[in-house]
Amino acid sequence: QLVLTQSPSASASLGASVKLTCTLSSGHSSYAIAWHQQQPEKGPRYLMRLNSDGSHNKGDGIPNRFSGSSSGAERYLTISSLQSEDEADYYCQTWGTGIRVFGGGTKLTVL
Amino acid sequence: EVQLVESGGGLVQPGGSLRLSCAASGFTFSNYAMNWARQAPGKGLEWVSGISTSGGSTYYADSVKGRFTISRDNSKNTLYLQMNSLRAEDTAVYYCAKETLPGDRGSGFDCWGQGTLVTVSS
Repeated sequence: QLVLTQSPSASASLGASVKLTCTLSSGHSSYAIAWHQQQPEKGPRYLMRLNSDGSHNKGDGIPNRFSGSSSGAERYLTISSLQSEDEADYYCQTWGTGIRVFGGGTKLTVL
Repeated sequence: EVQLVESGGGLVQPGGSLRLSCAASGFTFSNYAMNWARQAPGKGLEWVSGISTSGGSTYYADSVKGRFTISRDNSKNTLYLQMNSLRAEDTAVYYCAKETLPGDRGSGFDCWGQGTLVTVSS
């Protein structure tokens, strides 16, 4: 079964960096994912597509502070030079034939 | 500019029906598979349904299978979601979303609409 697992919460200080993790279920470590950001009271926003080899394609207007990387079944989103507007929920998403799956989301708090 | 605009949400009684629409612009609609996702109050994102470029293939989450029907009109650049036998647990903001790459395969959602709220309550 295709499942994505995310930690429910994370926190980091203003100006620091944070690395969020999304874990693919067993047998699915080659899958690409997408990262989405959802700021409070707003709709989701596409950040990037992240492949198993760590290559990624960011959406239009996404700052260079956002980057992705991969290791095995883990997919990472790193945000550097944290700003107050980065406080948001972050969701990973993947897909298979006839199915699309979201992780449970990570709520990022900027201290 | 790629844009998706949902409409059709509202208050409906349990057991009732509602039809959502999503108007697309800024890209060749017929070249992209499309999807509906939803978010219940205070909860995470949940994929609801997807449809191929031609509309010939449709997919549903188990939670809505048999009650919801996705369709598209490529001549009108519009995606639809017919929702029947609505339940309280269907209460959510419903978003339409576009796949990143042209064709029928999944590739991640690279554009989301602003969402439309569906409330199922007596």
